[in-house]
Parts: sequence; C-alpha cells; structure tokens
Amino acid sequence: EAQVTQNPRYLITVTGKKLTVTCSQNMNHEYMSWYRQDPGLGLRQIYYSMNVEVTDKGDVPEGYKVSRKEKRNFPLILESPSPNQTSLYFCASSLLGGAGGYTFGSGTRLTVV
Amino acid sequence: AQSVTQPDIHITVSEGASLELRCNYSYGATPYLFWYVQSPGQGLQLLLKYFSGDTLVQGIKGFEAEFKRSQSSFNLRKPSVHWSDAAEYFCAVGAKGGSYIPTFGRGTSLIVHP
Repeated sequence: EAQVTQNPRYLITVTGKKLTVTCSQNMNHEYMSWYRQDPGLGLRQIYYSMNVEVTDKGDVPEGYKVSRKEKRNFPLILESPSPNQTSLYFCASSLLGGAGGYTFGSGTRLTVV
Repeated sequence: AQSVTQPDIHITVSEGASLELRCNYSYGATPYLFWYVQSPGQGLQLLLKYFSGDTLVQGIKGFEAEFKRSQSSFNLRKPSVHWSDAAEYFCAVGAKGGSYIPTFGRGTSLIVHP
C-alpha cells in the first residue's frame, strides 16, 4: 500500500531534550515536506526537500532541522524543543512537480512541557 | 506569491442538505488547485484536483469543485451531505511547472447536524 509513515504518533517530552520524528514513504516520491498544524493557523510548512541531499526552509523553520540522506526518509529533528513547538506535525510527499497532489502521513502529536 | 483564502472558519449543515465550501486563490497564472479533507485524528486526504481542461472536476466521496478563473475561486460542493462528511476541509494552490510548493488555506470545519 502506498503510504507515508510517521513515528511516533504521540510524543510528550521536556524542554531541551532532543527528539526526532521519522517519516518514510514507499512511493519513490522526490518531494517531501514537513508541516505543523495549529488551531486557527492551518498548515504551515517547516522544511521541504526536492530530492536526496536537497533541502530548503519553509515558512517556519526556526528550531527545526531536517536531513534527506535517502529518497524514502525525511526525519524532522528538534535539537532543543520548546513549549511553543507543541503542535500536530505532518509529513507529506509527492512526485516532483506536484501534479498528483500530496500524500500525507497520519500525523505526530507533540507536546513539549 | 500565491495565497489561498477560505473565508468560512466553520460551516454547519443538516444531514441531507447541499454543501458549498468557498476557496479563493491568488496567483499570477493558472495554478494547480486541490481540496483535501482531514477527519478527526487523521492526516489529510486528497479529495480532488484541477490542472487544466474541464473546469468542473469530480472527486472522491461524491464531491465536486468548479474552477472559475474570473472569480479566482475553486469552490467545493456536494449535493447531499452525510454525517460522515464532518471534517476539516483544506483548499490548496500550487504553481505550475518546475518545483511545486503548495500553499494551504486555513481550513473550514464542517459540522453536520442530524
């Protein structure tokens, strides 16, 4: 089944403790992206990647890192999480050019206390 | 830069009634246009998309949308709403050609009364 898999689904952590949210897709998509979703703000793009070793900042990149060492994986790294990064995070992928639309993961609910 | 406006934060309809969710976009040329649905606790699922050609596009779950260039709109419609349609709906616009970075609207929450 074609899908984007995110882990974990839920995560509670403390301020300053590094964490990684994994994202993997099995559709051989070139384009991958991370979004955060907050009430009243919709989806905001954090980082995106056009292909392996090619990443770029989205609208809200501060406090996040990403890497794209393999085509299928696009982990999101929070080196020193803060409470304002409490949010619902989505990973998505598409063919380059986006004609097929995005396939989204099921989301990761992150709480930073 | 492209942008998307969904003017309605919440829409309430009765089951069986018709539905129209509004979406207006801003972009210099003809864009890619999408509607996504997000059920509670789930990721976003693609409902339908418009690239070119027929301005009335059919999607999954009985939804359709009409692209109106003169109004810069891409409204989503359904003739008869079911209780299971209660969800958050997102309109998105993407630039044609080359790299594609979509912009999402803030979403419209659909509430369905029995």
